[in-house]
Amino acid sequence: DAKTTQPPSMDCAEGRAANLPCNHSTISGNEYVYWYRQIHSQGPQYIIHGLKNNETNEMASLIITEDRKSSTLILPHATLRDTAVYYCIVRGSNTNAGKSTFGDGTTLTVKP
Amino acid sequence: GAGVSQSPRYKVAKRGQDVALRCDPISGHVSLFWYQQALGQGPEFLTYFQNEAQLDKSGLPSDRFFAERPEGSVSTLKIQRTQQEDSAVYLCASSLLAGQKNTEAFFGQGTRLTVV
Repeated sequence: DAKTTQPPSMDCAEGRAANLPCNHSTISGNEYVYWYRQIHSQGPQYIIHGLKNNETNEMASLIITEDRKSSTLILPHATLRDTAVYYCIVRGSNTNAGKSTFGDGTTLTVKP
Repeated sequence: GAGVSQSPRYKVAKRGQDVALRCDPISGHVSLFWYQQALGQGPEFLTYFQNEAQLDKSGLPSDRFFAERPEGSVSTLKIQRTQQEDSAVYLCASSLLAGQKNTEAFFGQGTRLTVV
């Protein structure tokens, strides 16, 4: 699975959009981009995933660049409860769902 | 229960002691995974079961680590002769199917092991 690069930390004001970037320049054609988050003292939680089209669900939006070498997770209206470590993972379609390679992620702090 | 349950939540072990960590996956989930998460780092894969079969143990750091899932449900991760570097949070995850790209894994809250 391809390696990802994320900034170690970011701040966001409550109620504003949080935009978390991820670089995955070595991604291959059949690899998906997944995002998870981990709130303190809990296990990772799935957020969203995509291949090449932008995706949106009730939690977030995922924007993938046309060349697929980077993506952005968008939390449209961040709340204090969104403070967590966010992990961007690239995974092949044949890689079992649970065997994910997590990096160190981005620590997002939402401030009042 | 509705989610993945792990016990104990916290474990303090003296160096050299053996420990056993338990994972109750979501009922009916075929796949089960163990991860180790050191302080300030992301989770690292340890081992994977499909039902009772251990299909991948490439992440186990040494032969002191042993995992089993004898009936394809509950799993136990055992660490023998614990050392200080074993101190970490041990996460268990399960997923409904095997080898499906859109089958997400659900994580438990983890067991925090501290070796003193």
